[in-house]
Amino acid sequence: EAQVTQNPRYLITVTGKKLTVTCSQNMNHEYMSWYRQDPGLGLRQIYYSMNVEVTDKGDVPEGYKVSRKEKRNFPLILESPSPNQTSLYFCASSPLGPWRGSDTGELFFGEGSRLTVL
Amino acid sequence: GIQVEQSPPDLILQEGANSTLRCNFSDSVNNLQWFHQNPWGQLINLFYIPSGTKQNGRLSATTVATERYSLLYISSSQTTDSGVYFCAGRVDNTDKLIFGTGTRLQVFP
Repeated sequence: EAQVTQNPRYLITVTGKKLTVTCSQNMNHEYMSWYRQDPGLGLRQIYYSMNVEVTDKGDVPEGYKVSRKEKRNFPLILESPSPNQTSLYFCASSPLGPWRGSDTGELFFGEGSRLTVL
Repeated sequence: GIQVEQSPPDLILQEGANSTLRCNFSDSVNNLQWFHQNPWGQLINLFYIPSGTKQNGRLSATTVATERYSLLYISSSQTTDSGVYFCAGRVDNTDKLIFGTGTRLQVFP
């Protein structure tokens, strides 16, 4: 089954304790990206990657790191989490980015990871 | 600036009614897409519609790129249509996506 898998789905942590949210896709997609969703603000892009070892900042990259060592994986790293990073996080993938890939330009989302930083 | 704006922010319908959701986007945004987030939080791509009109069952979408807007039509709405509808576009000369703040739709039986 084609899917994007995020882990953990739920996490409560404390300020300053490094954490990683993993994202893996099994569709051989080139494009992967991370978003955070906050009430009243919609989804905001954190980072995206067009291919292995190619990453770029989205609108709200501060406080986050990513890496793309393999095509299928795109982990989101919070080196020193703070309470303002409490949010719902989504990972997504697409072939070559919606505007370059398939006719549908379909972006596949993971189920989300709800993170609380105390 | 670079913007994607959606209206209305909230919509309440009775089952069977039709509705139109609007997405306005600024000059630096293109390649519109529509998404549905169901009440359980799952995000599903509905349409990739940089221009023209597409239909999928009771849903259809139209983008008039020259006038910087896109419309999502929902006909004969059902309770399963409830959730939040987002539009998103690509920022020119980048691979960055920018989302609107969504339209929350509630359909009652």
